[in-house]
Amino acid sequence: GQQVMQIPQYQHVQEGEDFTTYCNSSTTLSNIQWYKQRPGGHPVFLIQLVKSGEVKKQKRLTFQFGEAKKNSSLHITATQTTDVGTYFCNAGGTSYGKLTFGQGTILTVHP
Amino acid sequence: EAQVTQNPRYLITVTGKKLTVTCSQNMNHEYMSWYRQDPGLGLRQIYYSMNVEVTDKGDVPEGYKVSRKEKRNFPLILESPSPNQTSLYFCASSFGNQPQHFGDGTRLSIL
Repeated sequence: GQQVMQIPQYQHVQEGEDFTTYCNSSTTLSNIQWYKQRPGGHPVFLIQLVKSGEVKKQKRLTFQFGEAKKNSSLHITATQTTDVGTYFCNAGGTSYGKLTFGQGTILTVHP
Repeated sequence: EAQVTQNPRYLITVTGKKLTVTCSQNMNHEYMSWYRQDPGLGLRQIYYSMNVEVTDKGDVPEGYKVSRKEKRNFPLILESPSPNQTSLYFCASSFGNQPQHFGDGTRLSIL
C-alpha cells in the first residue's frame, strides 16, 4: 500500500530562522494537502497541490509539489512563535477514499 | 457555522465496555473519515465513508466499527475496547478529495 514518509519528526529553531519539512511517497500521488495542528488543537487545512512541479505561496510559507508527484515540501521563511505546531502532509493516491497522512513534523520556535 | 462535532471530548473507561464516539457534520459532505493520532505515528485512518451506506477500511480498522446511515453522522464504535485503543481520535469530513474539516477530537483512555 501507499506509504508516506515525513521528515524531520522534530525541528527546533530560533525565531527568525527558516524551517522546511518534507514528504515522500512510495507511489505517484494525485494531490497532496498540507495541514497545521496547533498544540491541543485539531488539524487545519493550509493548501492543496495538484499539478506536477507546482509551487504555491502563502505569505512566509512556500509549498512545492515534485515533478514526479511523489514528494512535496513546506518551507517557512523567518519563523515566528505563531508558527509552532505540527505540520502534516496528506497524500491522495490514485484511488479516491483512502488517505495517508505523514507522521508529522513538530515545530518548536524559541523566541 | 460550518463544523464537525464530536462527542464526547474526553472519556475514561474500562476494558471491554462498549462505547460509541459520535461525529456529526452540517456541511452536507459526502466523505467522512475517522483517524487516530498517536505520538510519533501521526494521523492514521481507521475507516472512511464516501457516502451513505458506503464505508471502507483505512489503515488501522481492527477493533473498530462504523456506520453511515445518514449523511451527517458517522459514529465510531468500539465493541470491546482495549488499552491499545487509548488515543486521540479525530473525525473529518469533506466534499470528495477536497480539504478535510476536522472535529475538535476525542481523547479516549481505556484502563
